[in-house]
Amino acid sequence: DSGVTQTPKHLITATGQRVTLRCSPRSGDLSVYWYQQSLDQGLQFLIQYYNGEERAKGNILERFSAQQFPDLHSELNLSSLELGDSALYFCASARRTGPDTEAFFGQGTRLTVV
Amino acid sequence: GESVGLHLPTLSVQEGDNSIINCAYSNSASDYFIWYKQESGKGPQFIIDIRSNMDKRQGQRVTVLLNKTVKHLSLQIAATQPGDSAVYFCAENIGGSNYKLTFGKGTLLTVNP
Repeated sequence: DSGVTQTPKHLITATGQRVTLRCSPRSGDLSVYWYQQSLDQGLQFLIQYYNGEERAKGNILERFSAQQFPDLHSELNLSSLELGDSALYFCASARRTGPDTEAFFGQGTRLTVV
Repeated sequence: GESVGLHLPTLSVQEGDNSIINCAYSNSASDYFIWYKQESGKGPQFIIDIRSNMDKRQGQRVTVLLNKTVKHLSLQIAATQPGDSAVYFCAENIGGSNYKLTFGKGTLLTVNP
């Protein structure tokens, strides 16, 4: 158990809908990272937050957004869902931000868009 | 764009043998590399990391080798066990203050008893 909790574990929704994925980082971790894992693209970095502020953006679509709350949990919002958004979404957390900081991954949320 | 790729998508070994998983990266500015293990139904798990000022780093049963000249990274697993069966990813970070990893596609390691 990495200590990072993601809910829900599975989510099935229809095209055009909006969903929210939740991540609770390990106790004391200030950084939260979101990744998307699909069969054709592999693991793709989406976005990073550190202590409530956005720090880095990767390949995140405009239909997607995220935020980190004062209690440090984070939510990833996916809207106007398309079939191609079906993937595993992982959250990772780390004590701080920096290239040498080990990040711990949650078990992911499997999103299926039908 | 920059990418991290793997030479072998699948690797099958016998229990007790040593395994070598390879990875090529294209960005010479990458200064930090990590190997992750992902078991079915789980998130990636950190195995070992190496900074660009090192050529080799050893952990418990694992060794990472970095060849900056040819932009190549390898993970060696000694005395491979059935529990080592998983997908292995290499990832690179390109300096700065952010942990914006670029992952390779992954190699599936299967350990036969």
